[in-house]
Amino acid sequence: AQKITQTQPGMFVQEKEAVTLDCTYDTSDPSYGLFWYKQPSSGEMIFLIYQGSYDQQNATEGRYSLNFQKARKSANLVISASQLGDSAMYFCAMREGDKIIFGKGTRLHILP
Amino acid sequence: DAGVIQSPRHEVTEMGQEVTLRCKPISGHNSLFWYRQTMMRGLELLIYFNNNVPIDDSGMPEDRFSAKMPNASFSTLKIQPSEPRDSAVYFCASSFPDRVGYEQYFGPGTRLTVT
Repeated sequence: AQKITQTQPGMFVQEKEAVTLDCTYDTSDPSYGLFWYKQPSSGEMIFLIYQGSYDQQNATEGRYSLNFQKARKSANLVISASQLGDSAMYFCAMREGDKIIFGKGTRLHILP
Repeated sequence: DAGVIQSPRHEVTEMGQEVTLRCKPISGHNSLFWYRQTMMRGLELLIYFNNNVPIDDSGMPEDRFSAKMPNASFSTLKIQPSEPRDSAVYFCASSFPDRVGYEQYFGPGTRLTVT
C-alpha cells in the first residue's frame, strides 16, 4: 500500500494565484515528519518545508505553508502568489524512523 | 557549505560494464542515502547508512548493486554488470539526525545511461 499519495499528477495555475498541492499519508507511528521537496527541470531536489507530527501549528516558509490536518492524515502544500519559477515537480514525503518515503509527485505548471 | 557532491554528473556506458557512482555528503552529516529516480517508478530509496554503517539495503534491486561507505565523507554505489534497465538518475542525500526534521539534502544526481 502506498504510504504517500499525491492524487494530482499535473496542475496548471495562473501566475499570481495561490496553489494547493494535495498529499495524504498513511502511518501507524505516532511520531513522524512530513516534507515537501521541489524538483525543477534542472533535476535537483530542493527541500521546501517540514511539519512534525507533534507540531501544533502549521509550518510556514516564506510563500510556502503546509496545511496539516492530522485527523485526515493530509499535509497539503500551499504556495501563495505563484510565480513562473514555481513550475516544477513537487514531492510530498514522510519520515519513518531514519527513512524518508516519497510520493509520486505533482507536476505544477504556472501560466503567464 | 558545498552541499552534497556527486560524480560523475553524467555517465554513458555499455551493457555489461561496471559503473561506480560517487558521493561526498555534507560535512558533519552522519546519515547518507542513495536513491534512484525513473519515470516509471519515481524516487526509490536503495540503501542508507548511519555513521558509515549500512542500515537498510532492502531497496537494492539485485546483487549487481553494491554500496560502500568507507568513511564519513565518501560513499560509492557500484553496478556490476550494468544493464539498460539500470538507466536512471541516481541521487545521493545526506542528513544530520539531531536536527529537528531530519530533512535530507540532495546532491545534483548522476544521470546514468546504459546502452
